[in-house]
Amino acid sequence: GQNIDQPTEMTATEGAIVQINCTYQTSGFNGLFWYQQHAGEAPTFLSYNVLDGLEEKGRFSSFLSRSKGYSYLLLKELQMKDSASYLCAVMDSNYQLIWGAGTKLIIKP
Amino acid sequence: GAVVSQHPSWVICKSGTSVKIECRSLDFQATTMFWYRQFPKQSLMLMATSNEGSKATYEQGVEKDKFLINHASLTLSTLTVTSAHPEDSSFYICSARDIKQGHQPQHFGDGTRLSIL
Repeated sequence: GQNIDQPTEMTATEGAIVQINCTYQTSGFNGLFWYQQHAGEAPTFLSYNVLDGLEEKGRFSSFLSRSKGYSYLLLKELQMKDSASYLCAVMDSNYQLIWGAGTKLIIKP
Repeated sequence: GAVVSQHPSWVICKSGTSVKIECRSLDFQATTMFWYRQFPKQSLMLMATSNEGSKATYEQGVEKDKFLINHASLTLSTLTVTSAHPEDSSFYICSARDIKQGHQPQHFGDGTRLSIL
């Protein structure tokens, strides 16, 4: 079957760095996506990785290792507004998105 | 960037009412639109995949006669919750994919919060 695993909840301090891991097992691979979802709102797109390596976009970076079925989202210089759920999703061979359950990130002052 | 418009954003109605939710891609064509449901503090759950001009594909456990999906054009899909009951109260979110960008992300509407009294 297809499976996406990510931690349920993480806590970090304002100004610090946090890494949210995601491991996956899917039928085929056409890229991995990270989305941010604030409570009561729809998800918003953060990043996309299809090749191995690190993609940096401002305070957020995303890493992919296809051989290990592993990705992480790195958030630097954390701000209170970064408190949200972070969703990992993999596009399978049929171009359908398989979603993780999301990681709730709590930022403390 | 790509924009998906979803209406209404909030619906409160009596039990037994049917509710229609619209999802429009404003600046791109979407052969495929997706309908999700999310209960409080739970993850997104895919309900159905809507393909323009053909019948929707429903996920296991989703009643196709209760959740009617119509995708009549490349920019519009609708979800109708028929004879809604309190257990149907949830956050419904649509998303669409640009047919010209196969690997690009789905773009989400802002969601519809449905409350059935």
